[in-house]
Amino acid sequence: AQTVTQSQPEMSVQEAETVTLSCTYDTSESDYYLFWYKQPPSRQMILVIRQEAYKQQNATENRFSVNFQKAAKSFSLKISDSQLGDAAMYFCAYKISGNQFYFGTGTSLTVIP
Amino acid sequence: DGGITQSPKYLFRKEGQNVTLSCEQNLNHDAMYWYRQDPGQGLRLIYYSQIVNDFQKGDIAEGYSVSREKKESFPLTVTSAQKNPTAFYLCASSWGQGAGYGYTFGSGTRLTVV
Repeated sequence: AQTVTQSQPEMSVQEAETVTLSCTYDTSESDYYLFWYKQPPSRQMILVIRQEAYKQQNATENRFSVNFQKAAKSFSLKISDSQLGDAAMYFCAYKISGNQFYFGTGTSLTVIP
Repeated sequence: DGGITQSPKYLFRKEGQNVTLSCEQNLNHDAMYWYRQDPGQGLRLIYYSQIVNDFQKGDIAEGYSVSREKKESFPLTVTSAQKNPTAFYLCASSWGQGAGYGYTFGSGTRLTVV
């Protein structure tokens, strides 16, 4: 079974500081993608970043970057220079070809001014 | 602008009633999905459709039904058989089934049983 685990239900960070959200997953597949989605108070799900399992280089999108450890099945999200607009629920997700997304239970991020 | 429109934003249902949640997309996406979101449980897949006139059950399909008569539309009916329907419902679409295809999400419908 595919599972995604986010062990931090809530996190907080001071504005302009850096925070890391954890995610682990369980799979026997070799070809898959990992994603981080953001859900702000508007409840609109927004894609933050994606990582292909075959790529060793960690994905980066502006202030967002990931630490992908394939052997450890770990996929953490680092947010640098945190902004008030980063406050949201963050979901880690896993997907293989021809199949659905599997989502974690989410981490609620609070940004303190 | 292309996107997914879910309506209504808020919906109230009396016990024993069926209600239908609308999901329309103008992205020309083949695949569409319905997810249920409950606090502390993440998103759980209800139904999905990869092509018109075809759909498959997800992990929690009991008490729900769908149709896919048009590529643009994928309505979800919450039937009286669904014992705990109060939740936030998200519709999503995707270009295809490849692992790298992300979802585009609608803004959701909050269903409350009164």
